Amino acid sequence: DVKVTQSSRYLVKRTGEKVFLECVQDMDHENMFWYRQDPGLGLRLIYFSYDVKMKEKGDIPEGYSVSREKKERFSLILESASTNQTSMYLCASSLEVMQPQHFGDGTRLSIL
Amino acid sequence: AQSVTQPDIHITVSEGASLELRCNYSYGATPYLFWYVQSPGQGLQLLLKYFSGDTLVQGIKGFEAEFKRSQSSFNLRKPSVHWSDAAEYFCADTTGGGNKLTFGTGTQLKVEL
Repeated sequence: DVKVTQSSRYLVKRTGEKVFLECVQDMDHENMFWYRQDPGLGLRLIYFSYDVKMKEKGDIPEGYSVSREKKERFSLILESASTNQTSMYLCASSLEVMQPQHFGDGTRLSIL
Repeated sequence: AQSVTQPDIHITVSEGASLELRCNYSYGATPYLFWYVQSPGQGLQLLLKYFSGDTLVQGIKGFEAEFKRSQSSFNLRKPSVHWSDAAEYFCADTTGGGNKLTFGTGTQLKVEL
């Protein structure tokens, strides 16, 4: 079974801090994704990566960056955290284009 | 732009009753469609997918969905709901050749005992 592990379930940070959210998958998947989930808005794609060191912007990349130095790890970075980035963040991976995505359990991030 | 619509924000059904959750997609090309379920505090779990072929697809936990091109719909059904089915359900699609999922806003299912 595919396992996607997000390093923290809950995280509390202060405005202006640089925040790192880590995600690791154990199935050698090419594609990895970061979403944020907000009530009434569903899941919105922040960034995705289809190969090591390759990334593409999703629908809401502003205020975020990503890093993929190794195939199994995909990090989301909040350069200077703001209160409007308080949300649930979900990481996912997929083997190939068009294949189903496998999700981690999410990180609930609060920015105070 | 493609979009996925789930018109029902909340649905309440009695345990043992049948269930249908609605999903409409708008992209013109052949869609790749998915249903995911999210239990409280958890990530999303794939219930079923449609790529091509038989328009009635079977998934896990007794769920099925039917693709109807004429109605641009991919509704999720279950003949008899169990209390453990209470969760949020998301429909999603992805364009042919792309690898981004577009999610609907979700339907919260409550099951009354």
